[in-house]
Amino acid sequence: QVQLVQSGAEVKKPGSSVKVSCKASGGTFSDYSISWVRQAPGQGPEWMGRIIPTLNIAKYAQKFQGRVTIAADKSTSTANMELSSLRSDDTAVYYCVREGQGLYFHYWGQGTLVTVSS
Amino acid sequence: QSVLTQPPSVSGAPGQRVTISCTGSSPNIGAGYDVHWYQQVPGTAPKLLIYGNSNRPSGVPDRFSGLKSGTLASLAITGLQAEDEADYYCQSYDSSLSAYVFGTGTKVTVL
Repeated sequence: QVQLVQSGAEVKKPGSSVKVSCKASGGTFSDYSISWVRQAPGQGPEWMGRIIPTLNIAKYAQKFQGRVTIAADKSTSTANMELSSLRSDDTAVYYCVREGQGLYFHYWGQGTLVTVSS
Repeated sequence: QSVLTQPPSVSGAPGQRVTISCTGSSPNIGAGYDVHWYQQVPGTAPKLLIYGNSNRPSGVPDRFSGLKSGTLASLAITGLQAEDEADYYCQSYDSSLSAYVFGTGTKVTVL
């Protein structure tokens, strides 16, 4: 059974950075892409980017280009997402998701609340 | 803002059938990209409900079904149950944005 376990909640100051980790178990980590999706309070989900662990190639949504870095470590079956230059509107729950073969989000982590406040 | 449009809310009595539409355009649903659906109970992560327009993952009841035609997709829930009360989101891929995109979301209320 596939499980994605994320790191705990964070409170950050505006202008700082946050790094969220996601450890996968069950299945073969390298066989599927990992995406990061965030959801601001009262809003719908928003895709941020993805990484293909076998190739270590990341692709980012245009909105987050230059501010987000997604990396994967096959040896520990862990994916990380780092978001910099945080603003108050970055306050959201951040999810890591293992994709299915057809561009969909199959297995979701439990979510990590990131609060940006001065 | 989202490129996939859904009605903000739908409601029905227990046992009834409700449908949720997801309207896209030529760079996404109209370009042939599949539509997928997620159910989200407040305070929890979204859960995959339908993938590839009409396929249900293991464990999803057959009360849930999906269709896609042209630039429009829909999710139907038959035999509505109290536990179906949740937010529902469609999702696809947009070639002009080179990004995965979600719908605006629909809140289903069981009367």
